[in-house]
Amino acid sequence: SQTIHQWPATLVQPVGSPLSLECTVEGTSNPNLYWYRQAAGRGLQLLFYSVGIGQISSEVPQNLSASRPQDRQFILSSKKLLLSDSGFYLCAWSPRGGFVGYFGAGTRLSVL
Amino acid sequence: EDQVTQSPEALRLQEGESSSLNCSYTVSGLRGLFWYRQDPGKGPEFLFTLYSAGEEKEKERLKATLTKKESFLHITAPKPEDSATYLCALSDSWGKLQFGAGTQVVVTP
Repeated sequence: SQTIHQWPATLVQPVGSPLSLECTVEGTSNPNLYWYRQAAGRGLQLLFYSVGIGQISSEVPQNLSASRPQDRQFILSSKKLLLSDSGFYLCAWSPRGGFVGYFGAGTRLSVL
Repeated sequence: EDQVTQSPEALRLQEGESSSLNCSYTVSGLRGLFWYRQDPGKGPEFLFTLYSAGEEKEKERLKATLTKKESFLHITAPKPEDSATYLCALSDSWGKLQFGAGTQVVVTP
């Protein structure tokens, strides 16, 4: 069976500090990978998606970037965090050619 | 432009009181309408995918239906453990999901 891991679960960072959130998927090959953000009181917003190693598409202009160094690894980064980067970050995967998204447990990021 | 609108924003039910959640959508080509359940502080949990008008899916006390413009999530005789936020979403050809704002359901004993 497939599983998706996200860490850390909770993160408190000062404004201006760097960020690195990691997501890995097990039990599947060539998945599509996604980063979503859920801000307080708002819906889920797609940030990045990837259909393969090194292939990243950004959905919204922002202070964040994503990388996919390995087939089942997806990383969300920032060089300098802003207050507005606070939120609940979710990694998800879908099978190649499929549409269902399966989500990780999420990372609660608080930028202070 | 594709759109997903959920109503109501919140729903408070007594245990055993059946109700329905609505998801209205506009899309140029439906590749799937998805229902998820999200508990506080957790990632969304996949419930159903519906692909064509008239399709129905069931899981325990939940039943999802689809028309050309709407999807309904029916909760029959809910229990407190059904309390959660229910999200619907549309998918594009890349599996990118566009979510509605969700309906927060609270079921009291």
